[in-house]
Amino acid sequence: DTGVSQNPRHKITKRGQNVTFRCDPISEHNRLYWYRQTLGQGPEFLTYFQNEAQLEKSRLLSDRFSAERPKGSFSTLEIQRTEQGDSAMYLCASSLGGNNEKLFFGSGTQLSVL
Amino acid sequence: QKEVEQDPGPLSVPEGAIVSLNCTYSNSAFQYFMWYRQYSRKGPELLMYTYSSGNKEDGRFTAQVDKSSKYISLFIRDSQPSDSATYLCAMSAGGNNRLAFGKGNQVVVIP
Repeated sequence: DTGVSQNPRHKITKRGQNVTFRCDPISEHNRLYWYRQTLGQGPEFLTYFQNEAQLEKSRLLSDRFSAERPKGSFSTLEIQRTEQGDSAMYLCASSLGGNNEKLFFGSGTQLSVL
Repeated sequence: QKEVEQDPGPLSVPEGAIVSLNCTYSNSAFQYFMWYRQYSRKGPELLMYTYSSGNKEDGRFTAQVDKSSKYISLFIRDSQPSDSATYLCAMSAGGNNRLAFGKGNQVVVIP
C-alpha cells in the first residue's frame, strides 16, 4: 500500500489524558499536513511540514498540541491534557511540494474524549 | 464571512440523474481548485484538480471554475449509487499549500 497511513484508526481516551497519533506519508512526498475535521464540517488546517521543518501552524493549534517530523518521513501529533472539544477526526495528508497542490489524505484517526 | 462557502444541504437524486454541486469563495488569491470525495469514516479522496479558470472533464465528472465570479462547480453525469458520498470543495493560493475547505455536500444516489 503506497497511500498515506495513519495509526491508530480510533482512539478513545478520558479527559486530561495525553494521546499521540502517527502518520506515514507517501514515500516520495516531502510535504506533510495535519487537518482536523468535526462532524458536518470540512477539514481545518492545523500545521504543515516541509521535510522536517514545521513551516506553518494554525491558531487552532493550541499549546496543548505539538507535531513533529523528526527525520522528514513519518510525523506524530500529540495532544496533551485532552478536552472534550478535541474530539474530532485528525487527518494527515502529503504532497510532492513545489507547485503541486495535490494533497493525498489518509483515512484519519477518530478521537473521542470522554 | 468564511473563505469558502458550500451549502451543506443533503442532496438525493435518482440513479442516472445529473448531480450539480457548487462553492463560492471570497479570497481572490485562490488559484488551485479541487473537489474531494469522502466516504463515511474515510479520509477525503482527490477527485478533480483545476488550476485557474476553465473546465476539466474526467469521465462522468466535470469541474468548472469561474474566477471572475469566485464560483466553482462539480457535475456528475449518469450518477451511480456508488457516487453516494460527501463532496468537499477545496482551494488554495499556492505557496504554503494550505487548503481551505467547504463544509461538504452529502449526496445520496437512489437506485
